[in-house]
Amino acid sequence: SQTIHQWPATLVQPVGSPLSLECTVEGTSNPNLYWYRQAAGRGLQLLFYSVGIGQISSEVPQNLSASRPQDRQFILSSKKLLLSDSGFYLCAWSVQGWTEAFFGQGTRLTVV
Amino acid sequence: DAKTTQPPSMDCAEGRAANLPCNHSTISGNEYVYWYRQIHSQGPQYIIHGLKNNETNEMASLIITEDRKSSTLILPHATLRDTAVYYCIVSDANAGGTSYGKLTFGQGTILTVHP
Repeated sequence: SQTIHQWPATLVQPVGSPLSLECTVEGTSNPNLYWYRQAAGRGLQLLFYSVGIGQISSEVPQNLSASRPQDRQFILSSKKLLLSDSGFYLCAWSVQGWTEAFFGQGTRLTVV
Repeated sequence: DAKTTQPPSMDCAEGRAANLPCNHSTISGNEYVYWYRQIHSQGPQYIIHGLKNNETNEMASLIITEDRKSSTLILPHATLRDTAVYYCIVSDANAGGTSYGKLTFGQGTILTVHP
C-alpha cells in the first residue's frame, strides 16, 4: 500500500533562518506531488506541484522554493524565513491524471 | 478562485444524516465534483467524487443534480468523529485535463456533529 511521510510535525524557527521540509512517498511510482499551505483560519493554498523529477511548477509568488531530487521525494525550502511563512504545510501525492490526492499529516511551522 | 460555494457551517445530531450542499454553477462538461474533509490539525481526506451520476461508497453518498450545477454530500449516520471541515472541489484532472491533479480549496463547510 502507498504511504506518505512528512516531517517534522512541528517546527519553530526564527525569522531569517533557513527551512527544509521533506516529504517522501512509498508504494507508488511517478506520482504527482504537491505542497499546500494553510494559514491560520484559512483554506488550503497550493504552493507547488511536480509531475516528475526536476519538474516544479509554482502557483504563487513567495519566499519559498521546492525541489524533487528523486521520484518520490519532495522538498520545500526557504533561505530566509519571514513571519508570514508561518502556517500548516501539507504534502500530497496523486496518481498521474487523477485528483484523488492523499495528504501527509502536515508540518506546523511557527516563525518567531 | 474557488469554483464552488458552500455554507460556512452546519450542525447535525449524532446518528442523523448530514446533508452538505455545494453550488458549482459554472462547472464545465469534463469537470468532476470532489469532496474532501479535514479534521482539525490533520491533512485533508478524500471522501468521494463523481461526474454526473450519483455515487456511493463506504463513507458517503454524492448526489449531483441533473444540470450538474449543484451537489449534496450525504453522511448517512453522522458520528462525532465526522466533525470536520468539508470541501467541495471541481476539477478536470480525471478527464485528462491540464490541472495535473491540483486542488483548489475554498473555505468549506464546518460540520459540527453534536450528541
